[in-house]
Amino acid sequence: LAKTTQPISMDSYEGQEVNITCSHNNIATNDYITWYQQFPSQGPRFIIQGYKTKVTNEVASLFIPADRKSSTLSLPRVSLSDTAVYYCLVTDSWGKFQFGAGTQVVVTP
Amino acid sequence: GAVVSQHPSWVICKSGTSVKIECRSLDFQATTMFWYRQFPKQSLMLMATSNEGSKATYEQGVEKDKFLINHASLTLSTLTVTSAHPEDSSFYICSARDQGLSNQPQHFGDGTRLSIL
Repeated sequence: LAKTTQPISMDSYEGQEVNITCSHNNIATNDYITWYQQFPSQGPRFIIQGYKTKVTNEVASLFIPADRKSSTLSLPRVSLSDTAVYYCLVTDSWGKFQFGAGTQVVVTP
Repeated sequence: GAVVSQHPSWVICKSGTSVKIECRSLDFQATTMFWYRQFPKQSLMLMATSNEGSKATYEQGVEKDKFLINHASLTLSTLTVTSAHPEDSSFYICSARDQGLSNQPQHFGDGTRLSIL
């Protein structure tokens, strides 16, 4: 299982773009990258998933360079409700993954 | 979208009681479900992998006689904390993935807050 490394915390103001970079140096060929958001006392919620290049959905974008040793979650124009812990996971072809420490994002007015 | 329902969301009970937590995949089938425990300000820690129709696979350090897992159908897994003690108080979360589709993400329940008095 590929281990992931993320910043412990990030602060932002409302309306700004937040970019969280995750390192996964030993990612395997068939592994894919998934990001989750977790609020206190709730289960993690799926944000976005990708294998390579760029993926965009209605809430975020995921940028993955060619070597796939890192990935960046981009949250456009954050609001106070985006204050949460964000987890980057690398999932193998068997569906196994390991949670890292996550990144606490705090958005202030 | 895929929904995982977990019940109960919150339980308080006396020491020595056994507590059962249910995890259901509402709109998909899951041959495999996962159970996690999360302590305050910490990440999720995988406890065990629940396999439909067979025995669960437990992570190192997790007592299988303490945390009984049953995966009776493709949509239901249960975790029973037997003879619970205050140190078992934690936030328990399950997850499941639609096995019918490849490279699908895990979907998580909303967790169960267990408090043992």
